[in-house]
Amino acid sequence: QKEVEQNSGPLSVPEGAIASLNCTYSDRGSQSFFWYRQYSGKSPELIMFIYSNGDKEDGRFTAQLNKASQYVSLLIRDSQPSDSATYLCAVLGSGGSNYKLTFGKGTLLTVNP
Amino acid sequence: GAVVSQHPSWVICKSGTSVKIECRSLDFQATTMFWYRQFPKQSLMLMATSNEGSKATYEQGVEKDKFLINHASLTLSTLTVTSAHPEDSSFYICSARVGGPVAEQFFGPGTRLTVL
Repeated sequence: QKEVEQNSGPLSVPEGAIASLNCTYSDRGSQSFFWYRQYSGKSPELIMFIYSNGDKEDGRFTAQLNKASQYVSLLIRDSQPSDSATYLCAVLGSGGSNYKLTFGKGTLLTVNP
Repeated sequence: GAVVSQHPSWVICKSGTSVKIECRSLDFQATTMFWYRQFPKQSLMLMATSNEGSKATYEQGVEKDKFLINHASLTLSTLTVTSAHPEDSSFYICSARVGGPVAEQFFGPGTRLTVL
């Protein structure tokens, strides 16, 4: 059973702070990792993906991957109230998975003005 | 990013009727589309994987005779909920996979189904 674990939160940070979202996965063969943002009542929106160890930055967002620890994180710098949403970590299964994503249950982030 | 549309965005139907939901990739060809279901305050649950021109692959516990999937072209997949019941009420979301090794999935806006 391939699993993706996230802290369900809620995570509350003040406006302007750094929000740190964490995710661990069980399938050691996983190669690609995705962060999606989902506003209440809406479908997920892709923020970024990462497949190499280390950091990947895109604007205020930084994804970090450590395959040895089976850990991926998302940092949001200068958090804004509009960042308040549920953040879903998704992992692409290894070999023969037909490109299926396994999602974590999501972390609810609240950014307080 | 790539654009995926879904129609309808919401539907209310009576118990026992069938409902068809369309999923289209608007600016790219999607060899693979996925159908998810999401109940309130829960994560996405994959229902089935749909490949153009072949039968869908259903996840364990999903009734293939109840949730009919047709992937007629590289830009269109449909999900038909047959003989819908109130417990089928949910948020149904499709996604389409962009080709390449990373295989990002882009999601449609979702269809909220309410069965009375």
